Amino acid sequence: DTEVTQTPKHLVMGMTNKKSLKCEQHMGHRAMYWYKQKAKKPPELMFVYSYEKLSINESVPSRFSPECPNSSLLNLHLHALQPEDSALYLCASSQPGTGGNTIYFGEGSWLTVV
Amino acid sequence: DAKTTQPNSMESNEEEPVHLPCNHSTISGTDYIHWYRQLPSQGPEYVIHGLTSNVNNRMASLAIAEDRKSSTLILHRATLRDAAVYYCILRDVRGSTLGRLYFGRGTQLTVWP
Repeated sequence: DTEVTQTPKHLVMGMTNKKSLKCEQHMGHRAMYWYKQKAKKPPELMFVYSYEKLSINESVPSRFSPECPNSSLLNLHLHALQPEDSALYLCASSQPGTGGNTIYFGEGSWLTVV
Repeated sequence: DAKTTQPNSMESNEEEPVHLPCNHSTISGTDYIHWYRQLPSQGPEYVIHGLTSNVNNRMASLAIAEDRKSSTLILHRATLRDAAVYYCILRDVRGSTLGRLYFGRGTQLTVWP
């Protein structure tokens, strides 16, 4: 099973709402990632978890709050977002370690902030 | 972070071979060369990767220049399903990089029937 599952596939939220994006993998990977992708742009790294600890935060605003409850799950909590945060949010996972490890991506969650 | 340069777009006819080039003149000795592709409305999909030697898998071949400053992704017989944005990425896990993938702008491949 080489699958990263993201839910929901589509989310519309108001600027005062609190919502969460969820990601799950059962490949035994110990590194998990959140990427953000705007229309017609490449994905941009947001966060990296390694062994369930936040290892990299690419200067992401605090209205995005990641969480890694266990080695299979990764959440992205959203609060007080702006319309410009509307994008495709991609979760990915891999084994940490060498640069030869493959990173597997989910299908993404399409977020619209109104 | 080492950067890659790819043409913005390329075109091919169905069932013809496609050679997608990538320049990475600042590559370091420990950088792996990865290729991913992204079909419309989908997440990026792993295609192939290599370090120094040419690599083949069921999807494609990767030809790496001897000096490693460039590489070419080869699709042997393009199909309509191969129409996608192809990203050439350098990946190094030394120090604090922790294996992050940094995407460049990629090459939009159009395949004509």
